[in-house]
Amino acid sequence: DGGITQSPKYLFRKEGQNVTLSCEQNLNHDAMYWYRQDPGQGLRLIYYSQIVNDFQKGDIAEGYSVSREKKESFPLTVTSAQKNPTAFYLCASSTDGGNEQYFGPGTRLTVT
Amino acid sequence: AQSVTQLDSHVSVSEGTPVLLRCNYSSSYSPSLFWYVQHPNKGLQLLLKYTSAATLVKGINGFEAEFKKSETSFHLTKPSAHMSDAAEYFCVVSGINTGKLIFGQGTTLQVKP
Repeated sequence: DGGITQSPKYLFRKEGQNVTLSCEQNLNHDAMYWYRQDPGQGLRLIYYSQIVNDFQKGDIAEGYSVSREKKESFPLTVTSAQKNPTAFYLCASSTDGGNEQYFGPGTRLTVT
Repeated sequence: AQSVTQLDSHVSVSEGTPVLLRCNYSSSYSPSLFWYVQHPNKGLQLLLKYTSAATLVKGINGFEAEFKKSETSFHLTKPSAHMSDAAEYFCVVSGINTGKLIFGQGTTLQVKP
């Protein structure tokens, strides 16, 4: 059963703590992406990776970090430097150079 | 630069009536365009995509969209709304050579019984 999994579905953290969101895909896709979604807004790109061991900043990378050590995994760390971390985070993947992206179910992060 | 504008933030229809969700795009080249749907607290699902083949694109669940270059539009339609169509819809244009997607702000579709 191929797809993208994100865990956990809901995550709660105290302000000042770093937190890592998981994203795994078994679609054999080269490219992976992290988006942030806030109420009433479209998705905004945080980071993306087109190949293992390489990644680029998206439009709102400040306060976030990523790694891409394996093709199937692209974890996102929300650091304490991110001023407004509470949001819905979506991970996606696509084939190399492909435009169509496949999305995971999302993780809702709440920081208090 | 590419951009996309969804002309309505909220659309309300009655069950069984037609659906029209409007999208205009801006692109300096022939774009790839998509419509995605998102149900509450879920990920996004691809409804349909245009990639310079036929201008009328058929998608899943009875949706279709027409690419009109002269109007720079890619409106989403469905002849008859179903209660299960109530969701958030995103019009999306692709960035050239990057695989990056540029999302519209979204349109919330409400379907009344």
